[in-house]
Amino acid sequence: ETGVTQTPRHLVMGMTNKKSLKCEQHLGHNAMYWYKQSAKKPLELMFVYSLEERVENNSVPSRFSPECPNSSHLFLHLHTLQPEDSALYLCASSQVGYNSPLHFGNGTRLTVT
Amino acid sequence: KQEVTQIPAALSVPEGENLVLNCSFTDSAIYNLQWFRQDPGKGLTSLLLIQSSQREQTSGRLNASLDKSSGRSTLYIAASQPGDSATYLCAVYSGSRLTFGEGTQLTVNP
Repeated sequence: ETGVTQTPRHLVMGMTNKKSLKCEQHLGHNAMYWYKQSAKKPLELMFVYSLEERVENNSVPSRFSPECPNSSHLFLHLHTLQPEDSALYLCASSQVGYNSPLHFGNGTRLTVT
Repeated sequence: KQEVTQIPAALSVPEGENLVLNCSFTDSAIYNLQWFRQDPGKGLTSLLLIQSSQREQTSGRLNASLDKSSGRSTLYIAASQPGDSATYLCAVYSGSRLTFGEGTQLTVNP
């Protein structure tokens, strides 16, 4: 496989469930990102990992917990979510540095009931 | 705080037409500007990246320009095709993050 792969593609969960989103990149990149895309709103940066260290946490509620065990894998652990958390969650990767373009996965469509 | 605006929000054109998508940003202290394409239910695909020192970038039928001083960029698509139908997003890298616009939804009719 090549590129950035996200699983699952779709997820429906109740407000009391615990679930995890997974992202894997096969591009040899050393920075990974979580973005949230809601209808009629710009993409919102959630977390950035650079060289496996979290370098940005964009005021995201603690019910979202990221994990980056190595430079190829990124997880987003979900717990006690709210219906307004329903959105498309996109993972991206790049080389460290601002002139490296981001490569995105196809996202996980999350619905919280 | 950087803000990115894209006009129009939606655009419908007949096949073969040349078209321009617009992007404006409020803080001109940027490192680069990027254009992405997003198909329904999919992630974003990087189209073009213009560094702050550059004026334009070209890839096939796409040409992106950057006027940093006025806070504007345009994406020109030549000889549009139905396969170009998608949402086009502009993003600027400033400070330590990439800020996205809301996108322009393009429909090219056969």
